[in-house]
Amino acid sequence: QKEVEQNSGPLSVPEGAIASLNCTYSDRGSQSFFWYRQYSGKSPELIMFIYSNGDKEDGRFTAQLNKASQYVSLLIRDSQPSDSATYLCAVNKRSYIPTFGRGTSLIVHP
Amino acid sequence: NAGVTQTPKFQVLKTGQSMTLQCAQDMNHNSMYWYRQDPGMGLRLIYYSASEGTTDKGEVPNGYNVSRLNKREFSLRLESAAPSQTSVYFCASSEEGFNSPLHFGNGTRLTVT
Repeated sequence: QKEVEQNSGPLSVPEGAIASLNCTYSDRGSQSFFWYRQYSGKSPELIMFIYSNGDKEDGRFTAQLNKASQYVSLLIRDSQPSDSATYLCAVNKRSYIPTFGRGTSLIVHP
Repeated sequence: NAGVTQTPKFQVLKTGQSMTLQCAQDMNHNSMYWYRQDPGMGLRLIYYSASEGTTDKGEVPNGYNVSRLNKREFSLRLESAAPSQTSVYFCASSEEGFNSPLHFGNGTRLTVT
């Protein structure tokens, strides 16, 4: 089992819909969780991080963490074509060094 | 407002050649990292440096060496390039602490023929 797992997609949603991206992790000792967005040919950039169970909202983005079930998700409300990118989940286990999932490709079509 | 600067942006090598990828950050971060990214494989850690003077192996260190020259600079060297090292390489830096995100450079696209 890979330490951080994401569905590679592509996940295709219509403009204005909610996109739901999921990530599961294997180490119950994981401390903090990050979502990065990566446009094609560009470097990853941080969207948000979460370390407590529950929801964390930032604009159109909501991160959800459930440590008991070992998953973290990212919801994008009112999806726009400009949200089309690969979304990387990263998990800090027992050190500060993150382990990345393989990423989920999101396509938002007009 | 440079952040993390990587050079070069593109490089083509022949098998057996050597090269050094340069990385510098101006955010006064202690921690620096080198990742490679291959299609379908996500980001895999090659080496990292928790602070000036220290380096440690990551998930895929074979065929690479690193130098933490000072707090700002962290270089990655390929002594004898192989086609399997064709990849996109990202340097990143972060503050210490579990909740510190990575700040990435723009990447180096390396092709080994």
